[in-house]
Amino acid sequence: RKEVEQDPGPFNVPEGATVAFNCTYSNSASQSFFWYRQDCRKEPKLLMSVYSSGNEDGRFTAQLNRASQYISLLIRDSKLSDSATYLCVVGSSSNTGKLIFGQGTTLQVKP
Amino acid sequence: ETGVTQTPRHLVMGMTNKKSLKCEQHLGHNAMYWYKQSAKKPLELMFVYNFKEQTENNSVPSRFSPECPNSSHLFLHLHTLQPEDSALYLCASSQGRGVGGTDTQYFGPGTRLTVL
Repeated sequence: RKEVEQDPGPFNVPEGATVAFNCTYSNSASQSFFWYRQDCRKEPKLLMSVYSSGNEDGRFTAQLNRASQYISLLIRDSKLSDSATYLCVVGSSSNTGKLIFGQGTTLQVKP
Repeated sequence: ETGVTQTPRHLVMGMTNKKSLKCEQHLGHNAMYWYKQSAKKPLELMFVYNFKEQTENNSVPSRFSPECPNSSHLFLHLHTLQPEDSALYLCASSQGRGVGGTDTQYFGPGTRLTVL
């Protein structure tokens, strides 16, 4: 089983749509959770951290379910500029700052 | 953004060559990382340095040799690479409080390496 598993997509959605990405992780001792965004041929950039209570940043909402070892990202009112690969990232339970990356889910927002 | 810079941005080398990748961070961070990103695969962590000490070597072959002379600079020395080593090599840095990956990592633009 992969340590962090995501549906690679691609998800093709029209502008204005709501889209949800899911991610599961295998290590129940994981301590931290993130969504990163990676544009084509660019480096990953932090989109948002994910907290147990859930958190929202504008059109983006992230949720964490520790019992099910499941993380989600919801994007409302999709924009063309949201087209990218979204990486689910889990912090290792070790003390080294190690992050485990999912393969990424590709989103293509079309006009 | 110039927080984390990497040089060169592109590199083509033969299997017998020796080359080095350079990373520099201007964020005052204490932890630096090397990652490998191959097509259609997740980012793979290679090495972690905290306060100039290597704290993680993710079973990386010895043909990759990291060097961290200070908290701002990180090198990846390459020798006798294989074609399957062709990938995007990304450097990242973080504050380095060392609390189980809670630090945000900031990535450089990467070096796209092709091994012939």
